[in-house]
Amino acid sequence: ETGVTQTPRHLVMGMTNKKSLKCEQHLGHNAMYWYKQSAKKPLELMFVYNFKEQTENNSVPSRFSPECPNSSHLFLHLHTLQPEDSALYLCASSQVQSYNEQFFGPGTRLTVL
Amino acid sequence: SQQGEEDPQALSIQEGENATMNCSYKTSINNLQWYRQNSGRGLVHLILIRSNEREKHSGRLRVTLDTSKKSSSLLITASRAADTASYFCATDAGGGSNYKLTFGKGTLLTVNP
Repeated sequence: ETGVTQTPRHLVMGMTNKKSLKCEQHLGHNAMYWYKQSAKKPLELMFVYNFKEQTENNSVPSRFSPECPNSSHLFLHLHTLQPEDSALYLCASSQVQSYNEQFFGPGTRLTVL
Repeated sequence: SQQGEEDPQALSIQEGENATMNCSYKTSINNLQWYRQNSGRGLVHLILIRSNEREKHSGRLRVTLDTSKKSSSLLITASRAADTASYFCATDAGGGSNYKLTFGKGTLLTVNP
């Protein structure tokens, strides 16, 4: 798991708070991803960045705002979240030109009160 | 629509037994991947099989792919308690979007000592 790190590992926030999730990959990959994992549901792809450019926004509400300042770092800015946004948020990276094996971080367990 | 779907949803076996999990998908793919997730952690890539391959081995893992039936199976031989985890299949979108993976809901495998 040291290839992709995520901070914080746990986050509890109120609906009016603003917080950010951070992801860093040390693998030299050129694509990064945000996924949401809720209980009893498939892993949901939220955002994809290829070479720092956002190439996918999977109908994610605007209260989630991604940022990719460089190919190694990815942020997910959160504001005015809802309790149903409570989930495990996973970051992943891959080398796009390969067969796209994705390497995942340990995730941030988010609870929205 | 959901691409990969695992079956069964849950599987409980004794240590030393073999575990078989199945995955079905709907559209054409470039490759199919299997991932493991320990409770509340990130996913770990296990094995990738390309659409022109029928079988692949990695240690105690054996994966088959039947593109005519749009299905794959993951066999874990001589299971161990440490194999207890959720297992997911993931398919790419094919074409020019092979960086985008779609995951199923997973099979929860419990290996009892």
